[in-house]
Amino acid sequence: TQLLEQSPQFLSIQEGENLTVYCNSSSVFSSLQWYRQEPGEGPVLLVTVVTGGEVKKLKRLTFQFGDARKDSSLHITAAQTGDTGLYLCAGAKRNNAGNMLTFGGGTRLMVKP
Amino acid sequence: GAVVSQHPSRVICKSGTSVKIECRSLDFQATTMFWYRQFPKQSLMLMATSNEGSKATYEQGVEKDKFLINHASLTLSTLTVTSAHPEDSSFYICSAARGTAKNIQYFGAGTRLSVL
Repeated sequence: TQLLEQSPQFLSIQEGENLTVYCNSSSVFSSLQWYRQEPGEGPVLLVTVVTGGEVKKLKRLTFQFGDARKDSSLHITAAQTGDTGLYLCAGAKRNNAGNMLTFGGGTRLMVKP
Repeated sequence: GAVVSQHPSRVICKSGTSVKIECRSLDFQATTMFWYRQFPKQSLMLMATSNEGSKATYEQGVEKDKFLINHASLTLSTLTVTSAHPEDSSFYICSAARGTAKNIQYFGAGTRLSVL
């Protein structure tokens, strides 16, 4: 069982549609990151959220951190083919090792023209 | 921005040989680097935490004698897959933490290892 559950695992939509990806956990995180990864590349950081209830916008992408800091969502408005990729959420928990990251299972998004 | 370089990007080797992968932080010093493994269409699984000047911390189930990690300087960590076998074929990704906040990690581009 993964500490962070992402849904959906796969999503195939038409260009112009909206979508939301969810990242859920029973654990509280000190911060949560969203990454986007393209095939054969490393993940690229999109955003970090740290405050419960926080909302951050990055052009057509809206990220929200749950009030209890246990869950997060990524909403994409008017998806474009360039949004295709693997979206990963990663939560940080304070421990003796100092805020280690745990990754969710990923959401593979395909935006068709 | 923070740049992490990983080399090589792709390597093909024969079963039984060893392969070394390098991870460099180009414009910042990284006390801590991380090594992940990613299977096709799956998420990243942390293998080990590489600490500069000390022994790496391995995750449960990861053989430390199989995956040797060296972090001799603040800008370089290496992962050596010893006596590689076909089941070691995978995508290996490193990341480097900037400063003391290990949750802020910058990732390399990954290394695709294929063991024949």
